[in-house]
Amino acid sequence: KAGVTQTPRYLIKTRGQQVTLSCSPISGHRSVSWYQQTPGQGLQFLFEYFSETQRNKGNFPGRFSGRQFSNSRSEMNVSTLELGDSALYLCASSLLTAQETQYFGPGTRLLVL
Amino acid sequence: KQEVTQIPAALSVPEGENLVLNCSFTDSAIYNLQWFRQDPGKGLTSLLLIQSSQREQTSGRLNASLDKSSGRSTLYIAASQPGDSATYLCAVTKEASGSRLTFGEGTQLTVNP
Repeated sequence: KAGVTQTPRYLIKTRGQQVTLSCSPISGHRSVSWYQQTPGQGLQFLFEYFSETQRNKGNFPGRFSGRQFSNSRSEMNVSTLELGDSALYLCASSLLTAQETQYFGPGTRLLVL
Repeated sequence: KQEVTQIPAALSVPEGENLVLNCSFTDSAIYNLQWFRQDPGKGLTSLLLIQSSQREQTSGRLNASLDKSSGRSTLYIAASQPGDSATYLCAVTKEASGSRLTFGEGTQLTVNP
């Protein structure tokens, strides 16, 4: 079974631009969560989607948004990029709830210049 | 607010040693606790998941214990190998928040040949 895939793997943007990251969960998994990892803040929860609905949200500004499609694939969007948005963005999937084992993708490394 | 602390922040051991990584959390109302490893620049790999009703889980050379009442978990690695070198992260899921994983800062382990 293929693991969680994320595209693109690397991205360079400039301040003020917007970016969309994509995550394909493991086949059959319906819960998708997103995390931001930075050296200073560690891993922080962004949001979780289940059956195309946002089920939980972390403490991030409204510039961070996401969605989930009927095939469980998920995208997250960051508008008006700031330098501090440079991070590794990780996506995790689980079967039904995130209270089960979560499987992480390789991440998308975003650099904002 | 749930806080997760991992001690030590870094550990260097010779190959073959048995070692223990520590994780503590401030709010004992957790649903489960997971241990992950992260290789440099990569995503997270799930190692063990312990439900709040369990005391320990084992997988190969790894054994994780959970003492929910005292807010502590340990990850025991037997007969360490250079391939075990990575950052080890523990994360808890709170009953109230459901899907959100709250991570510790990690322990960076180096196993020297």
